[in-house]
Amino acid sequence: KNEVEQSPQNLTAQEGEFITINCSYSVGISALHWLQQHPGGGIVSLFMLSSGKKKHGRLIATINIQEKHSSLHITASHPRDSAVYICAVDGGSQGNLIFGKGTKLSVKP
Amino acid sequence: NAGVMQNPRHLVRRRGQEARLRCSPMKGHSHVYWYRQLPEEGLKFMVYLQKENIIDESGMPKERFSAEFPKEGPSILRIQQVVRGDSAAYFCASSLVRNEQFFGPGTRLTVL
Repeated sequence: KNEVEQSPQNLTAQEGEFITINCSYSVGISALHWLQQHPGGGIVSLFMLSSGKKKHGRLIATINIQEKHSSLHITASHPRDSAVYICAVDGGSQGNLIFGKGTKLSVKP
Repeated sequence: NAGVMQNPRHLVRRRGQEARLRCSPMKGHSHVYWYRQLPEEGLKFMVYLQKENIIDESGMPKERFSAEFPKEGPSILRIQQVVRGDSAAYFCASSLVRNEQFFGPGTRLTVL
């Protein structure tokens, strides 16, 4: 069993839909990261969370430390949101990340 | 304020050659992390360095791979005697102490 599990693995949505991507982890962490990887391959850090909720534009990330679960929400999805979304946890004392396998999101116009 | 820079962006090597991948962290960042993304797989941690020190190399293959982050200049990930299985995207990230990591654009290594 992977230390970081994401669901769904693939997600297709229509433009405008509300999207939720889930992440569960099995290790103790100091922070959880949500990353976005575009088809060109570059990686952008979206959020770093240690508790509660963060919002940036149409993106919302939440974390429940007790349940070891985080969600990434996208409101009013757009085709430009199409990308792979990766959950990663910072569990060690050194800060190196453990990654989920990613969720491939495709938003259709 | 330039982001994390990696070069080259694409690197082609023949089996047995050496590959050198460079990473220049964001200004003011003294922590560098290297990650590898094999085709159709997730990202995996390789090594964590601070200036002139390797802090954690638990993700590095035992042979042929080495990394450094000298006092001056970029961090270097070196792969000796490359094999086809080394073909992957190699990303570096930099951070302040325990802060959010900023990723570079990656170097895509192809071994022929």
